[in-house]
Amino acid sequence: NAGVTQTPKFQVLKTGQSMTLQCAQDMNHEYMSWYRQDPGMGLRLIHYSVGAGITDQGEVPNGYNVSRSTTEDFPLRLLSAAPSQTSVYFCASSSKGLAGPGELFFGEGSRLTVL
Amino acid sequence: GNSVTQMEGPVTLSEEAFLTINCTYTATGYPSLFWYVQYPGEGLQLLLKATKADDKGSNKGFEATYRKETTSFHLEKGSVQVSDSAVYFCALRTGGFKTIFGAGTRLFVKA
Repeated sequence: NAGVTQTPKFQVLKTGQSMTLQCAQDMNHEYMSWYRQDPGMGLRLIHYSVGAGITDQGEVPNGYNVSRSTTEDFPLRLLSAAPSQTSVYFCASSSKGLAGPGELFFGEGSRLTVL
Repeated sequence: GNSVTQMEGPVTLSEEAFLTINCTYTATGYPSLFWYVQYPGEGLQLLLKATKADDKGSNKGFEATYRKETTSFHLEKGSVQVSDSAVYFCALRTGGFKTIFGAGTRLFVKA
């Protein structure tokens, strides 16, 4: 069972470089989201999508772009990396559910360091 | 706005001790409440949930009761094991899909 797959697991960037974190899920979930995890701050929502072609901003969207061209994929783009974006990034998905949204399923995380 | 506050960690316990991790929330409407657990090097996974007032969620010996009058959802376990060492996150969701997390509480259990 693949579930939610994130790549890469580790990445080191220099300030100003761009990159894309990939996220794919094989559960046919409508909802996908990106969080960043920083010490003492829990998980903060960056962007989310409620279906293909629909995206919206979370709490901390600045410096990140997303798109949702298919149900399965939800890539996160860093346009010009900054040291403040050093973090662990998690992709999560959930189903629409018959009685409301289901639980979140998380990927294993992508650790990004910006020098 | 909606928010979740958890007790700060780390919490260090001996094996078979009683565990309580406090969680309180602020939310409009009637949120669903969750506890997620993160084991070292892994993503988060759902531990338990409650969707309405007075519901009790339970799993793997852990329990939490949705208390609307005190806006709380404290996590408890009667006898912890070394394998319970992890980071525990309290979370809420109001309507829609968006889930808001607390800062997390790290638990260390010593043999």
